[in-house]
Amino acid sequence: DQQVKQNSPSLSVQEGRISILNCDYTNSMFDYFLWYKKYPAEGPTFLISISSIKDKNEDGRFTVFLNKSAKHLSLHIVPSQPGDSAVYFCAARYQGAQKLVFGQGTRLTINP
Amino acid sequence: DTEVTQTPKHLVMGMTNKKSLKCEQHMGHRAMYWYKQKAKKPPELMFVYSYEKLSINESVPSRFSPECPNSSLLNLHLHALQPEDSALYLCASSQEPHLTAYEQYFGPGTRLTVT
Repeated sequence: DQQVKQNSPSLSVQEGRISILNCDYTNSMFDYFLWYKKYPAEGPTFLISISSIKDKNEDGRFTVFLNKSAKHLSLHIVPSQPGDSAVYFCAARYQGAQKLVFGQGTRLTINP
Repeated sequence: DTEVTQTPKHLVMGMTNKKSLKCEQHMGHRAMYWYKQKAKKPPELMFVYSYEKLSINESVPSRFSPECPNSSLLNLHLHALQPEDSALYLCASSQEPHLTAYEQYFGPGTRLTVT
């Protein structure tokens, strides 16, 4: 049973435009959400996070939005750059727990 | 410094070999993790150490044996592995395990091939 879902396995965006990556979750006990970026043969790199008590967090070109009623979060990257081409993982943490639950990932390709 | 280092970068071992993977962090983090990642799949948690004690074992086979010699080091001892254990093994660390802000920082991984 997948508790964190990234329904788009891939996404292609023009350089300079906005990239929007989506993530849905089923468990209302998740209290913290994170986005990671991964290049091939490397470990995931932490990008941005959001607590369940917030609905938006912004860091430079990256903004994460959380809609608790819809159990949905999204990562906006604007403007998109070629170096943003990677696999993006959404992850969630149970309240008070140490374990992260990861989505399946979305491969983002930025076209010049 | 948000660096987690892992050695070796690549490892090829036979099914009768014994080898170890090493992980190190100097961020003062008190929680450390081992993950396994197969191609085109998300990382799967294997073990968690909190304050140098094993706190989570995700029903990992005993041919994988973790060890946390001190707060900066984490080892994964491998013995009698199977070809299906071939994967990218990732180490991660985070601050106080139960803080709300809970980013885990990952190392580059060890690419393991079992022949």
